[in-house]
Amino acid sequence: EIVLTQSPATLSLSPGERATLSCRASHIIHNYLAWYQQKPGQAPRLLIYDASKRATGVPARFSGSGSGTDFTLTINSLEPEDVAVYYCHQRSDWPPGGTFGRGTKVEIK
Amino acid sequence: QVQLVQSGAEIRKPGASVKVSCQASGYTFSDSYIHWVRQAPGQGLEWMAWIRPGNGGTNFAKKFQGRVTLTRDTSIGTAYMTLRSLTYDDTALYYCAREMAVASTGPFDHWGQGTLVTVSS
Repeated sequence: EIVLTQSPATLSLSPGERATLSCRASHIIHNYLAWYQQKPGQAPRLLIYDASKRATGVPARFSGSGSGTDFTLTINSLEPEDVAVYYCHQRSDWPPGGTFGRGTKVEIK
Repeated sequence: QVQLVQSGAEIRKPGASVKVSCQASGYTFSDSYIHWVRQAPGQGLEWMAWIRPGNGGTNFAKKFQGRVTLTRDTSIGTAYMTLRSLTYDDTALYYCAREMAVASTGPFDHWGQGTLVTVSS
């Protein structure tokens, strides 16, 4: 089973700053990576798929990059509404539905 | 618009079973896989299983094989997840999610609101 390691566990930034979230896979997963945003009390929301494609309706300040084993979610110019936990998710390998990282919590200072 | 609406919260005793429903609308139900993902309190996301509504095919994470049953009723666009032999560790929010059809990497582009299952004696 592929393990996804997200870092940092918590990120505390001021509004307008750039947030850089990392997701590292234990094996090569090509571009089979998605990012989700989960706000408190809500279901996850798809932000990025195929490592770098924005889902419908996702603001342009969110971008994804990477391939192979190292991936990054960047939030340019952080806004208060971006407070959430962000999960990466791979579907390259077993199990059939993939595995999730443990999440990065983004806070506003 | 695509919507997945799940059934309400459930409380069960240890050893019992629970059945959660997920009603889809806004798209052709048979065209997209439905996945089940759970989230224990304060924890991350854990994939459980998927069903292919078009033919009823299923696949499960190893830890849930033999304990989870997935079914669907295409006439009403609804998927069901039954979890048996409940333990306290099964207390969690259970989500259904639709697999994005156009992406080769299969992300989950729409999610239900979640169903809280509480196991308590």
